[in-house]
Amino acid sequence: QVQLQESGPGLMKPSETLSLTCSLSGGSIGIDYWSWIRQPPGKGLEWIGYVNYMGLTNYNPSLKSRVTMSADTSKDNFSLTLRFVTAADTAVYYCARVVPTGDYYDSGYYLQRGYFDLWGPGILVTVSS
Amino acid sequence: EIVLTQSPGTLSLSPGDRVTLSCRASQTMISGFLAWYQQKPGQAPRLLIYSALNRASGTPDRFVGSGSGTDFTLTISRLEPEDFAVYYCQQYHKSPWTFGQGTKVEIK
Repeated sequence: QVQLQESGPGLMKPSETLSLTCSLSGGSIGIDYWSWIRQPPGKGLEWIGYVNYMGLTNYNPSLKSRVTMSADTSKDNFSLTLRFVTAADTAVYYCARVVPTGDYYDSGYYLQRGYFDLWGPGILVTVSS
Repeated sequence: EIVLTQSPGTLSLSPGDRVTLSCRASQTMISGFLAWYQQKPGQAPRLLIYSALNRASGTPDRFVGSGSGTDFTLTISRLEPEDFAVYYCQQYHKSPWTFGQGTKVEIK
């Protein structure tokens, strides 16, 4: 049975860099797309971006200047880096597997379409001084 | 970006009731690139419906997705006790992928 598990710090200070890892068990990270999604306490879901096994990425413009994602096929995990965190970044962070439904061309790039069929349990990250 | 507006915000219903949840997009999504998720307290979302009308593996047939263009609907034909949760729609027609704000289905 394929499972995802997020890991990383639970508490951070403003201006620090958040690093999260999502580990895959029971499967391989190869050929698929992988995403990070976050949910502030009591609020809705926000897609952060995706990365594929070749390192191809697409980020939400709202976070693009602070986000980096990467994938490590040798370890079957992928990661999220979010720089200069503030209290507004306090949220449960989920990693998820993307089911790709085909790409399209937009503004000079080929972008993937997809939905999420497998989620990790989530990790709460609190940013507080 | 495509804004998804879900209505109503909260529904108070009883087991056995029929419920219809709405998700309206700010732009037309011709190919129906829309998914529905269920989230229970303290849990990650769970995929119910993809491509507007296809049930995901394990989704009971009382969950029915429909719609096209800008208006999409999730219908639960007969509420079971385990269906009380928050439901989110998500569009993947255009980046950035976005979610609606959610509809909470609570026990009356």
